[in-house]
Amino acid sequence: AQSVTQPDIHITVSEGASLELRCNYSYGATPYLFWYVQSPGQGLQLLLKYFSGDTLVQGIKGFEAEFKRSQSSFNLRKPSVHWSDAAEYFCAVGAPDNAGNMLTFGGGTRLMVKP
Amino acid sequence: KAGVTQTPRYLIKTRGQQVTLSCSPISGHRSVSWYQQTPGQGLQFLFEYFSETQRNKGNFPGRFSGRQFSNSRSEMNVSTLELGDSALYLCASSLEGTGSLRTLHFGNGTRLTVT
Repeated sequence: AQSVTQPDIHITVSEGASLELRCNYSYGATPYLFWYVQSPGQGLQLLLKYFSGDTLVQGIKGFEAEFKRSQSSFNLRKPSVHWSDAAEYFCAVGAPDNAGNMLTFGGGTRLMVKP
Repeated sequence: KAGVTQTPRYLIKTRGQQVTLSCSPISGHRSVSWYQQTPGQGLQFLFEYFSETQRNKGNFPGRFSGRQFSNSRSEMNVSTLELGDSALYLCASSLEGTGSLRTLHFGNGTRLTVT
């Protein structure tokens, strides 16, 4: 069974500073990898996904993530954070050998942005 | 194209009662998944339906059940409610296929409070 760890529960950054959110997964092969963002009281919005190919993927809102097989990681980055990026971020994995669409989520990282 | 619609947005129920939540997927999406989100346990997979059949099931007691109709709309039911069932219940839909087609699109959720 797969699992996902997001080591940082809370992160605070200043507006305009760079951001990196960590994600480590456990799975026997290369999983499908996702980053979602959730604003208070809302559902989850997909930021980006990795299925195969280029290990650096670009997403919406200026986010990118890099898949590193050797480290079983899929860290999310943004070069300059905006106040509107304050939200909770979830990393998730899916199993390519599963016939369905079940995802396993990490515990989330809450991002706060200082003015 | 309309997104995933969940109704109602908020529910307050008493212990021992039962509740039904509804989810209308994005047009053309035949897979519907349900997740429970709580502060303590995070996002946990409940079940997934495809073509009116349960395809995957998470580790929840039998009090949690679901179904899918021929138009892909789905309902989940929780019987004999417990205080611990208080949560945000998220529905997600997906196209059927391989690779990137398996991306989940989430609704805004139903907030269930059990008193």
